[in-house]
Amino acid sequence: AQSVSQHNHHVILSEAASLELGCNYSYGGTVNLFWYVQYPGQHLQLLLKYFSGDPLVKGIKGFEAEFIKSKFSFNLRKPSVQWSDTAEYFCAVNADGGAGSYQLTFGKGTKLSVIP
Amino acid sequence: DVKVTQSSRYLVKRTGEKVFLECVQDMDHENMFWYRQDPGLGLRLIYFSYDVKMKEKGDIPEGYSVSREKKERFSLILESASTNQTSMYLCASSDGRANVLTFGAGSRLTVL
Repeated sequence: AQSVSQHNHHVILSEAASLELGCNYSYGGTVNLFWYVQYPGQHLQLLLKYFSGDPLVKGIKGFEAEFIKSKFSFNLRKPSVQWSDTAEYFCAVNADGGAGSYQLTFGKGTKLSVIP
Repeated sequence: DVKVTQSSRYLVKRTGEKVFLECVQDMDHENMFWYRQDPGLGLRLIYFSYDVKMKEKGDIPEGYSVSREKKERFSLILESASTNQTSMYLCASSDGRANVLTFGAGSRLTVL
């Protein structure tokens, strides 16, 4: 079974600081990787995804993530955060094909607070 | 845009009551999911369905059941609610195996 580990429970940054949220997964096969975001009072929504190809993927609102297969990692980055990035961020993984394809496994989430 | 609608945003129930949480999606998605979201635990999959009348257990199915009689509707049932089922319940749907999920707004259930 796959599992996802997010390193930080709560991150506090000042506006314009750079962001990196760690995500590691455990699964031996090919995976699809996702970052979802939940802004205060809003639905969970997709931030970005990786299925195959270029390991550096770009998402909405200036976010990007890099898939490093050898490290089983999919860290989320943003060069300069804004107050509006305050949200909870979830990393998720599912197996690409096979019995685990339907099950998207989420990490425990990282709360990001951006101070104006 | 895909819309996933959860019928109840807030519910308060008593221990032992039967609880129905309803979810409807309007984009003909094959797959539907029920998660619960708890602080510090993230999202945990309860059940999912990849076709009408089909259901599969997720990671925490105990104390729950589901029903999918029509493609657009996926219901979560708590046969006898308990206080440890107080949580936010999220419904989601997706098309195909890639599992890009579209979530509903959530149903916050409090069991007293």
